[in-house]
Amino acid sequence: QVQLQESGPGLVEPSQTLSLTCTVSGDSINSGRYFWSWIRQPAGKGLEWIGRIQTSGSSNYNPSLKSRVTMSVDTSKNHFSLKVNSVTAADTAMYFCARQYDIYGDFDYWGQGTLVTVSS
Amino acid sequence: EIVLTQSPGTLSLSPGERATLSCRASQSVSSSYLAWYQQKPGQAPRLLIYGASSRATGIPDRFSGSGSGTDFTLTISRLEPEDFAMYYCQQYGGSPRVTFGGGTKVEIK
Repeated sequence: QVQLQESGPGLVEPSQTLSLTCTVSGDSINSGRYFWSWIRQPAGKGLEWIGRIQTSGSSNYNPSLKSRVTMSVDTSKNHFSLKVNSVTAADTAMYFCARQYDIYGDFDYWGQGTLVTVSS
Repeated sequence: EIVLTQSPGTLSLSPGERATLSCRASQSVSSSYLAWYQQKPGQAPRLLIYGASSRATGIPDRFSGSGSGTDFTLTISRLEPEDFAMYYCQQYGGSPRVTFGGGTKVEIK
């Protein structure tokens, strides 16, 4: 059974960088035709795709966030990471990592989510 | 950008009733790239349907998906108590690569 687990600081100061890691267990992050994605959800609101990365290093980002987002993958640790710089209160949200199947584009496995609050 | 509009915003039904949820896209979406998710409070979304009409592993057959082009539907044939939740549609392949609908809340009447 594939499991994903987000980790990182729950509180980030405005203008600083938000950094999260998603650790994958139950399967190799290198296996199959998958993208590894980040999705966020402000409290009481809908889902926003942030971006995705493959183990090849190929990545795609949401244009609305592209200038502030960087993703990376570490196959030796079976995890992938997200950085969002110059954060504001608008970046306060539950952040989910998820596995996306390239054939149909659906997200079949999700982490439980981690709440990140941007505040001084 | 492909915008997905879900309707209604809230659906008030009783257990045992049929639920019909709509997802309309601003541009044509390949049927292969339309998915539906269920989300309960405090939980991550759970994949229900992929490829517009294929049930994900372990999803009961009371859930079904249909549609093509710009109009897609999620049907729950007989609502069980555990089905009252938020539902989101999602497309893949446009720009941005992934967008989600705004969601439909299925609540107990």
